Amino acid sequence: AQKITQTQPGMFVQEKEAVTLDCTYDTSDPSYGLFWYKQPSSGEMIFLIYQGSYDQQNATEGRYSLNFQKARKSANLVISASQLGDSAMYFCAMREDGPKGANNLFFGTGTRLTVIP
Amino acid sequence: DGGITQSPKYLFRKEGQNVTLSCEQNLNHDAMYWYRQDPGQGLRLIYYSQIVNDFQKGDIAEGYSVSREKKESFPLTVTSAQKNPTAFYLCASSSMDRGRKTQYFGPGTRLLVL
Repeated sequence: AQKITQTQPGMFVQEKEAVTLDCTYDTSDPSYGLFWYKQPSSGEMIFLIYQGSYDQQNATEGRYSLNFQKARKSANLVISASQLGDSAMYFCAMREDGPKGANNLFFGTGTRLTVIP
Repeated sequence: DGGITQSPKYLFRKEGQNVTLSCEQNLNHDAMYWYRQDPGQGLRLIYYSQIVNDFQKGDIAEGYSVSREKKESFPLTVTSAQKNPTAFYLCASSSMDRGRKTQYFGPGTRLLVL
């Protein structure tokens, strides 16, 4: 089974509007971390936001917020006030904090966001 | 500036040839990782290392080899045994201290087979 599922291959949003990118995950570990990365056309993966499984509040970083619904195993990224520079691929990833302690990430297939002027 | 550098940006491989991709970090991170990305796909883990002189296979290690002789460096060799090496290769590093252990990535190397 896929550990990370991103069901939206592509999304469009009007400039200055908000957009939600979906991510669901699958794990039996009680302790895990969820990450969102942005990949512009240059290829570099840029870290955006992190949510720990025990965090009581949803994470926020500037215009990025993470809508964490633990019971539904979802970790959707919300981008507010979209800008043209937000056009990129967005990847959701998960780290399982198992007994081995490895910091390996499992990635989804990504969502291509296009911001329309 | 602290960060992760990868070289070269583009690399061409001939049939039967081994090639080595460079990854250097000056973030004082203990752990380093190599990922492969194919078009329209997410990242898949090739190898990772949590400490100098030790490394572990990831999900797709066949046809690849690594070394970790220095904390700052984690080169990846794509051997002739890797039959489909054309891909985008990303190196990352992270702290292993308690907390987020966020992985930070380099700019990547695009490998093409001639």
